[in-house]
Amino acid sequence: ETGVTQSPTHLIKTRGQQVTLRCSSQSGHNTVSWYQQALGQGPQFIFQYYREEENGRGNFPPRFSGLQFPNYSSELNVNALELDDSALYLCASSRGGRNEQYFGPGTRLTVT
Amino acid sequence: AQRVTQPEKLLSVFKGAPVELKCNYSYSGSPELFWYVQYSRQRLQLLLRHISRESIKGFTADLNKGETSFHLKKPFAQEEDSAMYYCALLADTGGFKTIFGAGTRLFVKA
Repeated sequence: ETGVTQSPTHLIKTRGQQVTLRCSSQSGHNTVSWYQQALGQGPQFIFQYYREEENGRGNFPPRFSGLQFPNYSSELNVNALELDDSALYLCASSRGGRNEQYFGPGTRLTVT
Repeated sequence: AQRVTQPEKLLSVFKGAPVELKCNYSYSGSPELFWYVQYSRQRLQLLLRHISRESIKGFTADLNKGETSFHLKKPFAQEEDSAMYYCALLADTGGFKTIFGAGTRLFVKA
């Protein structure tokens, strides 16, 4: 059974640019959730996708958007990057929205 | 407001001592609570959830709706318990949303 994978591991972007982060869910999982984790804080929920539809959203502006594909992999897109977007972005997959979440290793985004 | 509060950033105990990691929540619905753990250089993973009522690695947590708490307890701490612990609440309001606390770092001294 393959676990949750995320790419890239690290990236550096400039303020105002756009970024796409990718997540492959664990085999058999149909739900993906995305989190932002700033240094010294807990993960903050961005949104969840269930069977290609957004199924819950946290308090993040519309420039944070996502997609889920038929194979249940997912992308997180962030437009007009700001310095405060610098964080670890975590993806987690599950069987349904309320079951145990399996986390990926994260993508470290630095905005300069 | 939906919120999870972990009042201690760091908790340091000696091996063999009891440990309690505090978690309080604020939620108007029926709460579903979890403890997640992150060991050094490992991914965040589920430790336990209140509906399972299990003891995992000697840890237990009881949901107290009156005090809106879900404290994590272990009677005898082990060095391998040293990790970052996050309490989390599943909010089911127009879609699912998991709200994490800021986390407590547990350090078990030999």
